[in-house]
Amino acid sequence: GIQVEQSPPDLILQEGANSTLRCNFSDSVNNLQWFHQNPWGQLINLFYIPSGTKQNGRLSATTVATERYSLLYISSSQTTDSGVYFCAVVDNQGGKLIFGQGTELSVKP
Amino acid sequence: EAGVAQSPRYKIIEKRQSVAFWCNPISGHATLYWYQQILGQGPKLLIQFQNNGVVDDSQLPKDRFSAERLKGVDSTLKIQPAKLEDSAVYLCASSSIWSSTEAFFGQGTRLTVV
Repeated sequence: GIQVEQSPPDLILQEGANSTLRCNFSDSVNNLQWFHQNPWGQLINLFYIPSGTKQNGRLSATTVATERYSLLYISSSQTTDSGVYFCAVVDNQGGKLIFGQGTELSVKP
Repeated sequence: EAGVAQSPRYKIIEKRQSVAFWCNPISGHATLYWYQQILGQGPKLLIQFQNNGVVDDSQLPKDRFSAERLKGVDSTLKIQPAKLEDSAVYLCASSSIWSSTEAFFGQGTRLTVV
């Protein structure tokens, strides 16, 4: 099955810094989503981005499907950005939504 | 638009007891998923429904876990008997058509087996 790898596994930032999170996947996909898991465990949708670039406020994401990776950019980070960020993909056979292991982000004041 | 609803939010049971979780997907969503998330790991798919049919249950421990989606709407996930290693957050998600469309998650049920 398709493999999803996220990097880095952990990231510590000072408030105001920028960061880039990476998601690599091993096969062609027809769905890619980025989620933020809040401290209460809920998965919050950030982007649905099987290809191309999208922006939402301080966050943006780019997926280069032909090279099998996606990047999540966080600019001017805030303490409320802390939590775990997950990338999840569905392969072209229309199969399961598979998650990476996540990147745990900690933003210090 | 109402989101995915799950209940209960928290549950503590003793090993060998049974437990059931309930999920109500977003109205009109045909695809429903149950995931298990163990602390420190990414969510793992247990079962995927398309309407009331099972699309994938290859990672569901069928000797103790069961799930149903009657009438293609609400779904229940049951564990019987529970083991200590079943302690996890159980997440329900739904998407409108196939898994290629955007999935939305409920708040999850945190299960502790003691």
